[in-house]
Amino acid sequence: EPEVTQTPSHQVTQMGQEVILRCVPISNHLYFYWYRQILGQKVEFLVSFYNNEISEKSEIFDDQFSVERPDGSNFTLKIRSTKLEDSAMYFCASSEGRNRGEQFFGPGTRLTVL
Amino acid sequence: AQSVTQLGSHVSVSEGALVLLRCNYSSSVPPYLFWYVQYPNQGLQLLLKYTSAATLVKGINGFEAEFKKSETSFHLTKPSAHMSDAAEYFCAVSPSGGYNKLIFGAGTRLAVHP
Repeated sequence: EPEVTQTPSHQVTQMGQEVILRCVPISNHLYFYWYRQILGQKVEFLVSFYNNEISEKSEIFDDQFSVERPDGSNFTLKIRSTKLEDSAMYFCASSEGRNRGEQFFGPGTRLTVL
Repeated sequence: AQSVTQLGSHVSVSEGALVLLRCNYSSSVPPYLFWYVQYPNQGLQLLLKYTSAATLVKGINGFEAEFKKSETSFHLTKPSAHMSDAAEYFCAVSPSGGYNKLIFGAGTRLAVHP
């Protein structure tokens, strides 16, 4: 069964460093998303991406964040200068269609900023 | 703004007992509603979804949920809990007009004891 994959599973970085989180969505899906979950808190929407551009972004998704689909399979989230408060689990998701189709989630990348 | 409230951050039941996890939403238009389950160290898996068809929705693993517009509720139930149901459960709403972004509740951790 097709699934969303994410790498790495755990990333440890120093404050101020850049990190890139990688996701491979399901191959025939057209909509891509990033969410994050700070430990003990709810899952929060960060950004949605369609047709090589951002469709919607939340207040959390400020200038430190960027997303890219560098090739036909990968979808990346870059954090330019990490802060302690960026420590969280980051989930990638993809869906097939626009009309509120099911989103399939990856297993997540746990980012720890020291 | 759309929001989701899950009553009870922790629910504990005996194996074989009824499971009831509560979810209330706020929405100015008919939403799409979802229940996701998260097992330890895994991503989010869709249990079931309501997309304005039948108000009683059946999902995987014996779970079902009933959409009640008058109560703005979408509670999740299972007649008989199994040890393997122990996980965190998230209710989510998809707002109208967005590119399917999901707004999650805070989650309910379900414990099942023998």
